[in-house]
Amino acid sequence: QVQLQQWGAGLLKPSETLSLTCAVYGGSFSGYYWSWIRQPPGKGLEWIGEINDIGSTNYNPSLKSRLNISVDTSKNQVSLNLTSVTAADTAVYYCARDGGGEDCGPSSCYFYYYMDVWGKGTTVTVSS
Amino acid sequence: SSELTQDPAVSVALGQTVRITCQGDILRNFYASWYQQRPGQAPLLVLYGKNERPSGIPDRISGSRSGNTASLTITGVQAEDEADYYCNSRDWSGSHLVFGGGTRLTVL
Repeated sequence: QVQLQQWGAGLLKPSETLSLTCAVYGGSFSGYYWSWIRQPPGKGLEWIGEINDIGSTNYNPSLKSRLNISVDTSKNQVSLNLTSVTAADTAVYYCARDGGGEDCGPSSCYFYYYMDVWGKGTTVTVSS
Repeated sequence: SSELTQDPAVSVALGQTVRITCQGDILRNFYASWYQQRPGQAPLLVLYGKNERPSGIPDRISGSRSGNTASLTITGVQAEDEADYYCNSRDWSGSHLVFGGGTRLTVL
């Protein structure tokens, strides 16, 4: 079964760059998008962005100017870099596998999307 | 708008039925997915599509949709169902994912 193992620096100073990596084990890497999601302490989930195996990316517009997500298909890894961090970037960061499909009835089709495999999360704290 | 709105908190007595809702215009075109998050744990996918459950998710968890509202229903609520629940979908462009603000379910 697919497992995601993530790692990266857990304590940063303001203005530094957050760097995390997520490795995919036990399943196919190709054919999927891989997302990053974060959760500030006591708050809800925020989607950061995603990448597929050929490097196509989609970013949360609110983070786009500071964000870079990359892929290394030789290692089945995706990486997140977020520049110029502040205390507002303090959060648990998760990687997850994206999935989706289409359900069609007699007159219409509806798309659906989900994240079915998640990493355990990496706590990142930004503090001076 | 691509926002998804959830009630912040819902409570239910043990063994009863609870419905958790997620509202948003994008849900007229997309099915929501639902995630359960217990304290200190990563989110867990519990529902997706029209009413699909991943392997291992009990059938007392079910989903439905009406208009711009998606619902997650738990029948015969157990103590272990106490958790935060998040809905999720893509936005109108299809290029971005959005989450609802989450609903904290308390089992009385």
